[in-house]
Amino acid sequence: EVQLVESGGGLVQPGGSLRLSCAASGFTFRSYGMNWVRQAPGKGLEWVSYISSGGTTMYYADSVKGRFTISRDIAKSSLYLHMNTLRGEDTAVYFCVRDLMGTFYDPLTGYYKGAYFDYWGQGTLVTVSS
Amino acid sequence: DIQLTQSPSFLSASVGDRVTITCRASQGISSFLAWYQQKPGKAPKLLIYAASTLQRGVPSRFSGGGSGTEFTLTIISLQPEDVATYYCQQLTFGPGTKVEIK
Repeated sequence: EVQLVESGGGLVQPGGSLRLSCAASGFTFRSYGMNWVRQAPGKGLEWVSYISSGGTTMYYADSVKGRFTISRDIAKSSLYLHMNTLRGEDTAVYFCVRDLMGTFYDPLTGYYKGAYFDYWGQGTLVTVSS
Repeated sequence: DIQLTQSPSFLSASVGDRVTITCRASQGISSFLAWYQQKPGKAPKLLIYAASTLQRGVPSRFSGGGSGTEFTLTIISLQPEDVATYYCQQLTFGPGTKVEIK
């Protein structure tokens, strides 16, 4: 059974940092791209970041570019999100999400191909407030 | 960046009704679109990918169609358990359509 278990959320002051972790099990972690998706309270879904199966390709939403870093540890079957310079608008539940077939950006067409998210964790809440 | 819009934003229908949600992309995206269902307090669930491929385990009353800039998600016979918010996605997500039972 595929399981994705997030941890590391909590209350942090504006300007602070936090690292989210996601422990994956039940599938061959090194074979799948992974994502972070967040949802602010009462709001819709916002894709945050993607990392390829081999860890060589990363994409970020404009809203977090330069502040967040996605990484993965194949040996530990774990996904991470390092969040710096946190703002109130980063307050959300953060989901760890498996990518069904891998996502890649095609510069010739200007859009992403294959962003299909088949397994989601239960989410971890990050609250940015003083 | 590609923007997705959904219509309607809210839908109320009776059990057994056929309901259709539309998603429009700001530029052509071929068939690279997915649909998700999210129930309150739960993580989203993948329903449809590649515009029209039903994800394993999803009831056949759900179907997806379209290509280019206009896509649809259809529930051919609405059930009480289908009450949820539905999102389309091309990496980024549409704003969502909330579906309720009349």
